[in-house]
Amino acid sequence: EVQLVESGGGLVQPGRSLRLSCAASGFTFGDYAMHWVRQTPGKGLEWVSGITWNSGKIDYADSVKGRFTISRDNAKNSLYLQMNGLKPEDTALYYCHGVLSGLDIWGQGTMVTVSS
Amino acid sequence: EIVLTQSPATLSLSPGERATLSCRASQSVSIYLAWYQQKLGQAPRLLIYDASNRATGIPARFSGSGSGTDFTLTISSLEPEDFAVYFCQQRDNWPITFGQGTRLQIK
Repeated sequence: EVQLVESGGGLVQPGRSLRLSCAASGFTFGDYAMHWVRQTPGKGLEWVSGITWNSGKIDYADSVKGRFTISRDNAKNSLYLQMNGLKPEDTALYYCHGVLSGLDIWGQGTMVTVSS
Repeated sequence: EIVLTQSPATLSLSPGERATLSCRASQSVSIYLAWYQQKLGQAPRLLIYDASNRATGIPARFSGSGSGTDFTLTISSLEPEDFAVYFCQQRDNWPITFGQGTRLQIK
């Protein structure tokens, strides 16, 4: 079964850190560009960060640049998002998203809540 | 950053009717525009990629058109399960961006 499973979310105080992980199975993870996309409950989708199949291209939304770091380990079929200096406005459901042209895979998301 | 503007924000139609959703980009994205459907509590589902290609398993009643800055998603005859929120996404340039969504609701 083609699957992406996120983990690592939770409740954290402002200024602290979290590391999200995304485990892939059922497809050739190393072929896919991977992204983190977040969504505030009841709101729209916001792209957070992306990484190409070989980590040759990495980019971030302006809202997280300098605080978040995306990485991947193709040998472990895993994607990561290191989130430092968290702010209340980072509170959202974080999706792991894989793209290969018309092939498109989403996880079910992991919730991150930033609050004191 | 490329801004995507979707219209209308809300569309109220009845089953069997035709739905036309619009997405306009602030600059050309060539054909690299995708459409997603999202239902409450679910992850987005890819409907259309590269402006006009249906993703695997998507019914033929869904079609996409356009290039450059103006794109359209058409649902030829609405089924009850089509009432949801629809987002467009441009993949031409990073940062990737999404439109704000169109809510398709039952009239």
